[in-house]
Amino acid sequence: DQQVKQNSPSLSVQEGRISILNCDYTNSMFDYFLWYKKYPAEGPTFLISISSIKDKNEDGRFTVFLNKSAKHLSLHIVPSQPGDSAVYFCAASVGYGQNFVFGPGTRLSVLP
Amino acid sequence: EAGVAQSPRYKIIEKRQSVAFWCNPISGHATLYWYQQILGQGPKLLIQFQNNGVVDDSQLPKDRFSAERLKGVDSTLKIQPAKLEDSAVYLCASSYSRGNTEAFFGQGTRLTVV
Repeated sequence: DQQVKQNSPSLSVQEGRISILNCDYTNSMFDYFLWYKKYPAEGPTFLISISSIKDKNEDGRFTVFLNKSAKHLSLHIVPSQPGDSAVYFCAASVGYGQNFVFGPGTRLSVLP
Repeated sequence: EAGVAQSPRYKIIEKRQSVAFWCNPISGHATLYWYQQILGQGPKLLIQFQNNGVVDDSQLPKDRFSAERLKGVDSTLKIQPAKLEDSAVYLCASSYSRGNTEAFFGQGTRLTVV
């Protein structure tokens, strides 16, 4: 029973273009969402978050959009850079700092 | 600021053997998590500590897995006896408090059970 889904295992984007990573969830009780980035042989690092009271949050080149009615969120990276090549995990929780449920990840490759 | 330290980085054991992993969280972080990440999947929470007390261990297979966090700082995760399906990366993470959502992860321990 996968509560957080990332249906694209991989994504390739040209440098300078927009990367859009998608995440769907099934538990309507989730009210806090995060994106983590993971490089090989390293632990995940926090990227950006959004609470259910918002529908958009920006941090530099990274923007997360939340569509609660569709139970869908997306991460936009503009412009994409080769250093963005990593696995991106979407995670969700009921309440702040609680049991985060992670998706399976999407491997992003930004081609020079 | 030093990050979350984990050891060992890699471990290979035979099934039915036991193994232990160690984690030293970021100084001052009250909340500590152990995650299991099986190849191709996202991290799955095994146990969450607040200081030295267990907050959530609902997904910890308690017949073979145990964890402790003595004195509310370092933590160890033990598997006894190991099964082939325990092969995974075990990630430790910490956050300043339970209500703080940004968790900092260590590099993980890659366990291979043969």
